[in-house]
Amino acid sequence: EVQLVESGGGSGQSGGSLRLSCAASGFTFNNYAMTWVRQAPGKGLEWVAAISGSGNRTFYADSVKGRFSISRDNLRNTLFLRLSSLRAEDTGRYYCTKETGGTYSWIDYWGRGVLVTVSS
Amino acid sequence: EIVMTQSPATLSVSPGERATLSCRASQSVSSNLAWYQQKPGQAPRLLIYGASTRATGIPARFSGSGSGTEFTLTISSLQSEDFAVYYCQQYNNWPPLFTFGPGTKVDIK
Repeated sequence: EVQLVESGGGSGQSGGSLRLSCAASGFTFNNYAMTWVRQAPGKGLEWVAAISGSGNRTFYADSVKGRFSISRDNLRNTLFLRLSSLRAEDTGRYYCTKETGGTYSWIDYWGRGVLVTVSS
Repeated sequence: EIVMTQSPATLSVSPGERATLSCRASQSVSSNLAWYQQKPGQAPRLLIYGASTRATGIPARFSGSGSGTEFTLTISSLQSEDFAVYYCQQYNNWPPLFTFGPGTKVDIK
């Protein structure tokens, strides 16, 4: 059974940093690209960042480029998201997700998410 | 950048009735479209991928159709557990990697 369990959320100051982690199990972690998706309170879903299975390719939404960093540890089956230069609009729930793989890849599993609150 | 729109924003339906949700892409995404269901306080769940293929464990009352720029999610006979927000998502074009629609909330009439 695929499980994705996020941790590391909480409150951060505007301009500050946080690191989110996602422990993955139930599949061969390094075979799959992984993605972070966020959801502001009462709003829709926003793709944030993605990383290839090997970790050598990363992709970011324009809204977080230069401020967030996605990485992974394939030995520990863990995905990370480093959030820096935090802004109020970064507040929301952050979901760790697994992609299906292939040329056209969609999200097939989601974690429960972790809450990030940015205060000024 | 591809923009996804969904209509209506809210759909009020009685249990047992049919619900039809629409999703439109600003340019063709072929059949590279997925639908997700999100209930309050829960993570989204994959319902449909490839525009029309049900994900594992999804009941047959959920069906998807369309290609190119126009897509439809149909729930043939709404059950109480189907009242939720539904998002479409394209995964055809880069950038960005994924684009979600704003969602359609299906609530009880």
